[in-house]
Amino acid sequence: AQSVTQLDSQVPVFEEAPVELRCNYSSSVSVYLFWYVQYPNQGLQLLLKYLSGSTLVKSINGFEAEFNKSQTSFHLRKPSVHISDTAEYFCAVSGSARQLTFGSGTQLTVLP
Amino acid sequence: DSGVTQTPKHLITATGQRVTLRCSPRSGDLSVYWYQQSLDQGLQFLIHYYNGEERAKGNILERFSAQQFPDLHSELNLSSLELGDSALYFCASSPDPTGYEQFFGPGTRLTVL
Repeated sequence: AQSVTQLDSQVPVFEEAPVELRCNYSSSVSVYLFWYVQYPNQGLQLLLKYLSGSTLVKSINGFEAEFNKSQTSFHLRKPSVHISDTAEYFCAVSGSARQLTFGSGTQLTVLP
Repeated sequence: DSGVTQTPKHLITATGQRVTLRCSPRSGDLSVYWYQQSLDQGLQFLIHYYNGEERAKGNILERFSAQQFPDLHSELNLSSLELGDSALYFCASSPDPTGYEQFFGPGTRLTVL
């Protein structure tokens, strides 16, 4: 069985400040890790994914996440956030069964 | 726009009723996944179909059923509805059975009164 823990349910941060959204997972098999973003009244959009290879993965809009096997973590970071980054962020894991297991989500609110 | 469409966008119904939610995957995607998002349970996987065949089941109630048709669209049937079934239901599609990249539709918001 696999599970995902997102340690912070709400993260307020000022515009242009750095942010880290934490994600820890547990799984008995090889995992594939994802971050999805959900804007208000919309579906989920894939932000970035780790399948294999380099442990540092990046998105086109400046987010990055690092797969850390020893700490079973996949934290999401951005060095400078914008108002438009305000959204809910979900960490997810996929194992041999292919379906996604999601964390409880982190609401990122960027303040002016 | 992910290319996945879901209808209807909103659905309001009464307890005990039955509803059908529809999903059209992205062109060419053979896999369809259904998820439920509720305030108390979060995002939960319900069921996965690949090219018409059921591949995996998650926390799907016996009152719920799904199918994927030859044209690859999928329907999620919810019956004997209860207040607790009120949630956002998402469909996602993927080009292959690995599901390593899933594209989500906008969701159907179900309200059971």
